[in-house]
This record gives sequence, structure tokens and C-alpha cells, in this order.
Amino acid sequence: AQSVTQLDSQVPVFEEAPVELRCNYSSSVSVYLFWYVQYPNQGLQLLLKYLSGSTLVKGINGFEAEFNKSQTSFHLRKPSVHISDTAEYFCAVRGSGSARQLTFGSGTQLTVLP
Amino acid sequence: DTAVSQTPKYLVTQMGNDKSIKCEQNLGHDTMYWYKQDSKKFLKIMFSYNNKELIINETVPNRFSPKSPDKAHLNLHINSLELGDSAVYFCASSDSSGTYNEQFFGPGTRLTVL
Repeated sequence: AQSVTQLDSQVPVFEEAPVELRCNYSSSVSVYLFWYVQYPNQGLQLLLKYLSGSTLVKGINGFEAEFNKSQTSFHLRKPSVHISDTAEYFCAVRGSGSARQLTFGSGTQLTVLP
Repeated sequence: DTAVSQTPKYLVTQMGNDKSIKCEQNLGHDTMYWYKQDSKKFLKIMFSYNNKELIINETVPNRFSPKSPDKAHLNLHINSLELGDSAVYFCASSDSSGTYNEQFFGPGTRLTVL
């Protein structure tokens, strides 16, 4: 079984400042890791994913994440945020075996202030 | 073209009623899912179907019954609705033949039980 912990439920940040949203996971097997974004009253959209290979993963909208196996982390970063980045961000994990469902973290509300 | 669509988008009903939510995907995927997002935005898998067969059935009251008439549709029927069923329900789909089975989400159905 897998689990995901998002340590920060809310992250306020000023426009053009950098941001890091933290995600830690636990799993007894190899995992695939994902970040999804949910804009107000909308569904989930995939930001980026880690499957294997390079530990630094680049996604859409200027976001990137780094997989750290020793620390079991997959933190999301953006060097300069915009007002339009205000949304809920979810980290998710899926085992590399036959179980296909995603296990989500509790979400982090990113609020970008002018 | 909408990849994963859900109807209705909003559903307001009285306790004790029976209601259905429909989901359709036009991505040619063979696996579909239902997730529940509670008032704290926590997302949890409810069901998953692969080629019309139930493969995941989490601890969900048997008042909830998924039905998959074909690979492109997964409907959710809820009997005897309770206040605690109020939530946003998301449908998703994926291709099981892929390496990591990226899931595509619908826009959600906000169910309010009065």
C-alpha cells in the first residue's frame, strides 16, 4: 500500500516569488509519482509525472519537481509564480505493479497574492 | 472535444432519494474510475472498471453501485442518499496498455444532499 503526505495545507506567496510545495510518500514497491492541479470548480489536470530516469521532471506552466528516493520526496517548485497559478495542488502516487489506482495527498492550496 | 465528460455538473437532492451520475470518455481507454472528493478536498478512489469488469472496490457503502455498459461509460448510481454523500465526484479514465496509465479526469459532479 502507498500513502502520500502533503505537509502544507495552504501556501500563500507573492506574485513573482518562488514557491515549493512539499510531498512525501511511502511505499514498499517502486512507484510512479504525479502532481495534479485543480483550478476552482474544475477537474484535475496533470502537471507532471515521474516514472523513471532523470530525477528532475519538468511539467506544464513552468513547474518542475525533483524525485528524491532517499528522502521519499517529490517536491514541486516554480521559480516565479503568477496570479493564475492560484489553485489546489495534489501529489499522487501509483504503484508500478498491477494496482492502477492513484493515492492522493490531502492537497495544498496555493494562493498567489498581488 | 471533451475527453472525459460527466453529467450532471451539479446535483441537488433530498435525503432518501436515488440518483445517478453519468460518465463518458472518448479517449478509447479501457479503464475507468470514480473518485470522491470531500469537503476538505481529500480525494479517494471508490471504484475502477477495466473492460467493463470491476477491478477496484474500496470500502464504499453498498448504496453506491457502479455500472459500466461499455468501455466508454461508467455510471454511478446512489440509493437512499444521505447527508454525508454530499461531495464532488470525479470520473477518470486511463489506458491499461500504457506504462504508467496516466489518468484523465472529468470536470466533476457536485452532489448536494439536503
